[in-house]
Amino acid sequence: EAQVTQNPRYLITVTGKKLTVTCSQNMNHEYMSWYRQDPGLGLRQIYYSMNVEVTDKGDVPEGYKVSRKEKRNFPLILESPSPNQTSLYFCASSLGRTVSYNEQFFGPGTRLTVL
Amino acid sequence: RKEVEQDPGPFNVPEGATVAFNCTYSNSASQSFFWYRQDCRKEPKLLMSVYSSGNEDGRFTAQLNRASQYISLLIRDSKLSDSATYLCVVNSYTGGFKTIFGAGTRLFVKA
Repeated sequence: EAQVTQNPRYLITVTGKKLTVTCSQNMNHEYMSWYRQDPGLGLRQIYYSMNVEVTDKGDVPEGYKVSRKEKRNFPLILESPSPNQTSLYFCASSLGRTVSYNEQFFGPGTRLTVL
Repeated sequence: RKEVEQDPGPFNVPEGATVAFNCTYSNSASQSFFWYRQDCRKEPKLLMSVYSSGNEDGRFTAQLNRASQYISLLIRDSKLSDSATYLCVVNSYTGGFKTIFGAGTRLFVKA
């Protein structure tokens, strides 16, 4: 089944404890992206990647890191999480490198709480 | 001012009603436009792309007005299953490809 998977789905952690949220897609998509969703603000783009080893900042990259060593995986790393990073996180992938005219497929989301 | 703005609603309509949502965007260099649907904090799913010529998919019609920088979605003959949040999405290239989501419009369809 074609899909985007994220792990973990739920995570409660404490301030400063490094964590990684994994994202994997099995559709051979070039483009991958991370978003966070907060009430009243909608989804905001954190980072995106147009190809292996190519990543770029979205609108809210502060406090996050990403890597794209393989086409299928795009992990999101929080080196030192803070309470303002408590949010619902979505990973997405798209066929083309530029996403412009292509549908994005989303993972099921990761609900992160930082105490 | 937000780059993509939507009326948050909620819109409460009876089954069978016609309902319209609008979305405005501020970046005139925006390239492509979409409507996504999101149910109860689940992942967003593509409803339809939006083209300048307008496009229709069953009960759903999307329209783009580049001159006024707004996008619309019309839902005819509303069903209970249409209850969801509708997200306006704009892709643009300004030194990098970016995707901007509106905050969403909540729709409740009542029996």
